[in-house]
Amino acid sequence: AQSVAQPEDQVNVAEGNPLTVKCTYSVSGNPYLFWYVQYPNRGLQFLLKYITGDNLVKGSYGFEAEFNKSQTSFHLKKPSALVSDSALYFCAVRDGIGTGGFKTIFGAGTRLFVKA
Amino acid sequence: ETGVTQTPRHLVMGMTNKKSLKCEQHLGHNAMYWYKQSAKKPLELMFVYSLEERVENNSVPSRFSPECPNSSHLFLHLHTLQPEDSALYLCASSQDVSPHNEQFFGPGTRLTVL
Repeated sequence: AQSVAQPEDQVNVAEGNPLTVKCTYSVSGNPYLFWYVQYPNRGLQFLLKYITGDNLVKGSYGFEAEFNKSQTSFHLKKPSALVSDSALYFCAVRDGIGTGGFKTIFGAGTRLFVKA
Repeated sequence: ETGVTQTPRHLVMGMTNKKSLKCEQHLGHNAMYWYKQSAKKPLELMFVYSLEERVENNSVPSRFSPECPNSSHLFLHLHTLQPEDSALYLCASSQDVSPHNEQFFGPGTRLTVL
């Protein structure tokens, strides 16, 4: 069965400091991993994805994520946080061999607060 | 703008009402989705359509009835809802249902059932 865990409900970071939002996953086959961001009163917005290849994936707005197969993790990172990065972040996984049907599994979300 | 629009943005309805949510995508995608987002719960997939054919029905109560007349439009028909159905309903689309495709979400309809 597929699952995604975001162990932190909330992450607080000062503007200019690096940020990390954690995600671990479980799938039967090869994972396809995604990060989405949700601003207030908006839908989810795609940030980046890992399909195959380089373990370090770069995405929108300076975000990047590192795929670690041995730790089954896909943590989201940014070298220098901005106040405007404050939002709700979702990690998601699809099983590459299709055992989960057409379902993308989303984590519960991590709220990021960046303080000026 | 993600290329996915939803109307209405807000809806208040009584338990005996019938209403419909509308979603339109301008991206030329072949797959469309309905999700339910409730406070402090993970996103719940409700329905998946691929080329106007329903391919996933995730144990959703029959008071929710989807319709996909063409690949650009998706509706969610609501009738005799319960207060616990109050949530943000999100529509999304993707190029197709292949697992490597990211989804593009609309802004959602905030539904309140009285």
